[in-house]
Amino acid sequence: AQKVTQAQTEISVVEKEDVTLDCVYETRDTTYYLFWYKQPPSGELVFLIRRNSFDEQNEISGRYSWNFQKSTSSFNFTITASQVVDSAVYFCALRSPGYALNFGKGTSLLVTP
Amino acid sequence: DTGVSQNPRHKITKRGQNVTFRCDPISEHNRLYWYRQTLGQGPEFLTYFQNEAQLEKSRLLSDRFSAERPKGSFSTLEIQRTEQGDSAMYLCASSLAISGGNTIYFGEGSWLTVV
Repeated sequence: AQKVTQAQTEISVVEKEDVTLDCVYETRDTTYYLFWYKQPPSGELVFLIRRNSFDEQNEISGRYSWNFQKSTSSFNFTITASQVVDSAVYFCALRSPGYALNFGKGTSLLVTP
Repeated sequence: DTGVSQNPRHKITKRGQNVTFRCDPISEHNRLYWYRQTLGQGPEFLTYFQNEAQLEKSRLLSDRFSAERPKGSFSTLEIQRTEQGDSAMYLCASSLAISGGNTIYFGEGSWLTVV
């Protein structure tokens, strides 16, 4: 069975604060792919990152960084120096070969000025 | 714009009516997916095509739902005899079918309200 858990339903921070969005996944497959998507109020799901199960290297892209730890089955997402434009719902997703992309319930992030 | 395109973006229909949504994928993508998303939930998989073949359907896809991709390009999702429980956002996505995984790109979604 595949499952993605995003325990944080809503997070509210003040602009310029750092914020970490948690993602824990379950899968029995040894090969799998993890994703983060951003969904602004307009509704479109915007792809942020894909990580393969065999590549535990953390990644940084501007103010965004991702921490992938297979030992704890976690793929956490950190936004540094948050901005109002970061306000959105963020989804973590898991996919194994032969399976559809399986999403968590999302974390709603509100960044206030 | 070369992203995934969906229309209509919004549809309000009376219960019992039929509705159809269209999706135009990214042009070189051979896989096309349909997802449904209700408020406060993540997207849920409905079905996907590789070229014109429908390869998988979720149990969520009741007999009232039908999806087609006649020429392996655009796709339509039809809901017959709509019910209030069908109210949701219907998301289309596309990707390349490649070994080693693929990234799925989503459209802006089609909101359906059944009254």
